[in-house]
Parts: sequence; structure tokens; C-alpha cells
Amino acid sequence: ILNVEQSPQSLHVQEGDSTNFTCSFPSSNFYALHWYRWETAKSPEALFVMTLNGDEKKKGRISATLNTKEGYSYLYIKGSQPEDSATYLCAFVQGGKLIFGQGTELSVKP
Amino acid sequence: DTAVSQTPKYLVTQMGNDKSIKCEQNLGHDTMYWYKQDSKKFLKIMFSYNNKELIINETVPNRFSPKSPDKAHLNLHINSLELGDSAVYFCASSQDAPLAGGWGGELFFGEGSRLTVL
Repeated sequence: ILNVEQSPQSLHVQEGDSTNFTCSFPSSNFYALHWYRWETAKSPEALFVMTLNGDEKKKGRISATLNTKEGYSYLYIKGSQPEDSATYLCAFVQGGKLIFGQGTELSVKP
Repeated sequence: DTAVSQTPKYLVTQMGNDKSIKCEQNLGHDTMYWYKQDSKKFLKIMFSYNNKELIINETVPNRFSPKSPDKAHLNLHINSLELGDSAVYFCASSQDAPLAGGWGGELFFGEGSRLTVL
């Protein structure tokens, strides 16, 4: 199994800052790339499922881009708020399975 | 109504015991999964069922046996529990299976079951 890697592992920002993090995945045999938001003591919730090279998706202040040829996706949060504090997971479909990265833990201080 | 529900949420038991975790989804999805959150907080797939049929069985000890009585339920039974089985186990479902050529749709997760083996 090839790895899905996310960076940075953790990020601390001030309220109002914009931030972004990266998900790297194998560029061959691409099917789909998922982003999930995982708040402490809750279950992961899907943000985006991206399937096409060049895809850009947006949900409120959160957006994501996808480059399947070079094997990366960026997640952007504009004007971070304390309620954005969570772990953001990306996951890659490979061999009929969804393989998760280790996540980027975001902490937004008021 | 919780879309994916698992019980129990917490389970504390002794080594050598046998225990089960139950999962139910009311979303009408065809595919269900068990994931294990390891010590580094990775979510690692254990099993996947599509319409009651086992489609993914990772290299999990055969002490772990999933059972899907119908497509809305996927239970996990663990025999002869060991200390290393202590973890949080997540059930999830998706509309379809993420098979080659298709992406299956987003996963909906249960709240997790924290198993502690003493």
C-alpha cells in the first residue's frame, strides 16, 4: 500500500488567519480524494470528495484543490475561527479501499 | 436519528475475554466498514462489506470476525482479547463500495467504540 501523507502534522494559528495544508498521494491509478474534518470527541465528517484533476471545491470558508498528475491536494481555510479547530484528514481510494493520511491538527486561538 | 450508530461507546474488559461491537446505519447505504484508530491516530481499514458480502479483509488477526446480518448492520466480534487490541474502533458506511473504477461516495462514521483491554 502506498502512503497518503499530510503536512504539516499540526498547525497553530490566530483567529482571522488564513491557512492551508497539503495532502500528497500516489499519482497513478487515481480514483478519488476525500477530505474529512474530525473534531475532538466526535466522528470524522466529510468535507469534499474530489475526482477530477483541477477540481476546486468550496464550502463556506473552506476550499480544496486537486492535482492528480502530481499527486497533491490543498485544503484552504480563509479567516480561521476557533470552531475550525479540528484534525483534517485526507483519504485516497486505492485497491478498493479508502486509505487515510495521519491528519493535520489545526488549533485556532481566539 | 443518528445515521451510523455503534454500541457500546466504551468497553473495558479483561484479556482473554470475547466481546462484540455492534453497528447500524439508517442511511440505506450498501457498504459498511470497520476502521481501527491506531496509537498514532491513523484510521486503518479492517473490513468492508457490500450488501452483506465481505469485500475487504485486511491483515487482521482471525480473532476478529465481522458479521453482517443485513446491509444495515455490521458487527465486530473479537475473541481472546489481547492488550494490543485496545483502540478506538469506528464503523462507517458509504452509498457504494470504492471499487476500482468508482469512488463509492463519502464515508459516514459512527462515534467510535473505545475498547480497553486490561
